[in-house]
Amino acid sequence: NAGVTQTPKFQVLKTGQSMTLQCAQDMNHEYMSWYRQDPGMGLRLIHYSVGAGITDQGEVPNGYNVSRSTTEDFPLRLLSAAPSQTSVYFCASIAASRGEQYFGPGTRLTVT
Amino acid sequence: SQQGEEDPQALSIQEGENATMNCSYKTSINNLQWYRQNSGRGLVHLILIRSNEREKHSGRLRVTLDTSKKSSSLLITASRAADTASYFCAPLNQGAQKLVFGQGTRLTINP
Repeated sequence: NAGVTQTPKFQVLKTGQSMTLQCAQDMNHEYMSWYRQDPGMGLRLIHYSVGAGITDQGEVPNGYNVSRSTTEDFPLRLLSAAPSQTSVYFCASIAASRGEQYFGPGTRLTVT
Repeated sequence: SQQGEEDPQALSIQEGENATMNCSYKTSINNLQWYRQNSGRGLVHLILIRSNEREKHSGRLRVTLDTSKKSSSLLITASRAADTASYFCAPLNQGAQKLVFGQGTRLTINP
């Protein structure tokens, strides 16, 4: 199993640009989440999904959209990038039966 | 879902010493998990302790759970330089679908 994969690893955007951060898992986990981590801070939950076709907002959802058309994929879309969205983004999936959360390696995003 | 609060926020010890960090939470849990994050990397799941367990071991890690005090501790014995990282606890409520993380404990192991 590849586990949780994220692409790209690094991205630089200009203010106002849009992009999609990709996340995929091959463990057939129902639950997936997106977090952001700012320097020296803990993780903050952006959006999460409890299954294909179902998504919900986390702590800091503004400026981000998600969709979950398949169990495997959970892309995060930045609609109009802002410097405040400069952060490291982590995708994670949960083995519902045990509650263990598996994390991807992260995407480092800089918005100038 | 609830967030765990780690204490201390930062801990610096000499290599070979034991490191203890604590976690408190507010409401009943199904299990509590500890994660490690090396600088610039994603989180790695270390250990999961269920609400009906009081202590669990994994290699040099020992986790305790006191549900009456709503607290957990992570002990790393015989610390190594490679243990330098941030450590996060994540309490999981019954039926919860996501984990919410606090700011973690930054552990530094000095050679």
